[in-house]
Amino acid sequence: GAVVSQHPSRVICKSGTSVKIECRSLDFQATTMFWYRQFPKQSLMLMATSNEGSKATYEQGVEKDKFLINHASLTLSTLTVTSAHPEDSSFYICSARDQEGSGANVLTFGAGSRLTVL
Amino acid sequence: AQSVTQLDSQVPVFEEAPVELRCNYSSSVSVYLFWYVQYPNQGLQLLLKYLSGSTLVKGINGFEAEFNKSQTSFHLRKPSVHISDTAEYFCAVSGPGGGADGLTFGKGTHLIIQP
Repeated sequence: GAVVSQHPSRVICKSGTSVKIECRSLDFQATTMFWYRQFPKQSLMLMATSNEGSKATYEQGVEKDKFLINHASLTLSTLTVTSAHPEDSSFYICSARDQEGSGANVLTFGAGSRLTVL
Repeated sequence: AQSVTQLDSQVPVFEEAPVELRCNYSSSVSVYLFWYVQYPNQGLQLLLKYLSGSTLVKGINGFEAEFNKSQTSFHLRKPSVHISDTAEYFCAVSGPGGGADGLTFGKGTHLIIQP
């Protein structure tokens, strides 16, 4: 089945630094990937939709200059948290949709990346 | 726009007992419905989905759910739970674009299995 790989699974950084999280679709191509943020014991909140070859679409209230998204190929999207602050500490999860076949209507999720900003 | 309501934030159940996790949704258009499970510090795993056809859908790990359009519900059930079912369960909905749209999630239900 469809597999989405997310890296790193955990990252700790100092305040003011930038962190990049990668999301890869391993066995399928994804024109669209989604980035979610999850606070402890809460649901997933959609941050942005990453579109291959074009600009990402951000949800209301999400700072596009802080959360840079790049979708350079059909199998890779990256989320860069710029000038990270402790309030950016969270669990970030990406998901992707297989373009074809029976998987077209189902999102596959990565294992998530836990960011801790000191 | 769609919304999802999971009425119970936490459901404690004894091992081998049946369980139902409730989910209601609202939408002005036809929807696709999903249940995902999340184990601690992990991503989401698809349990089952309703796209069309039979309103009773069966998923992995012995779970099933029934789509009820008149009640706008998609409750998740399992006839006999195991300790390993302890996890967070999320109900989600997407618009008619299916996976082309981001999913809207409920707040989750923490299923606690008691020995």
